[in-house]
Amino acid sequence: DTEVTQTPKHLVMGMTNKKSLKCEQHMGHRAMYWYKQKAKKPPELMFVYSYEKLSINESVPSRFSPECPNSSLLNLHLHALQPEDSALYLCASSQDPGGNQPQHFGDGTRLSIL
Amino acid sequence: GQSLEQPSEVTAVEGAIVQINCTYQTSGFYGLSWYQQHDGGAPTFLSYNGLDGLEETGRFSSFLSRSDSYGYLLLQELQMKDSASYFCATPTGGFKTIFGAGTRLFVKA
Repeated sequence: DTEVTQTPKHLVMGMTNKKSLKCEQHMGHRAMYWYKQKAKKPPELMFVYSYEKLSINESVPSRFSPECPNSSLLNLHLHALQPEDSALYLCASSQDPGGNQPQHFGDGTRLSIL
Repeated sequence: GQSLEQPSEVTAVEGAIVQINCTYQTSGFYGLSWYQQHDGGAPTFLSYNGLDGLEETGRFSSFLSRSDSYGYLLLQELQMKDSASYFCATPTGGFKTIFGAGTRLFVKA
């Protein structure tokens, strides 16, 4: 079990569906991240929130929409996804947004697009 | 650009010592981290080197040489459960961390 909780663990959706991924941490961390990971590849950064404000958007398509309702929660809203978006989506948090801080990862949501 | 290079696969036997190397090219340097990821699991932070030298945490040690743009992760007394992917990672100076492609470690009995 990890200190970063992601739900759901698995998600299958059609290309016209709208769904949301959720992430929660109660470690008082002020930076939260979304990563996408394909099989046998490293995590690829999508978004960074620092003190609840979006700090980095790595040119992610608008069909992915992040939201940080408060310092403990991070959502990723999905709409009109493509089959190539099938991947493991990882949420992470760190004490501060400085890059030398260890990142704590959730177990991820395994997303399949039909 | 910024990049990290590490071997794609390493195989070792139980009880042995294995070293996973990582060389980096970065416009600035803010330290080197190591993460472990088992198949189907989450990446787990192992260690961070901000300065040259060796950091030891139990069976795992990590080393950094900034003059050589090089670091390594050393795993001692290998156990079957150490079979996993290992990523070196470095911050870019902003809020971003980039990861190497990962080294898959296979531990044989």
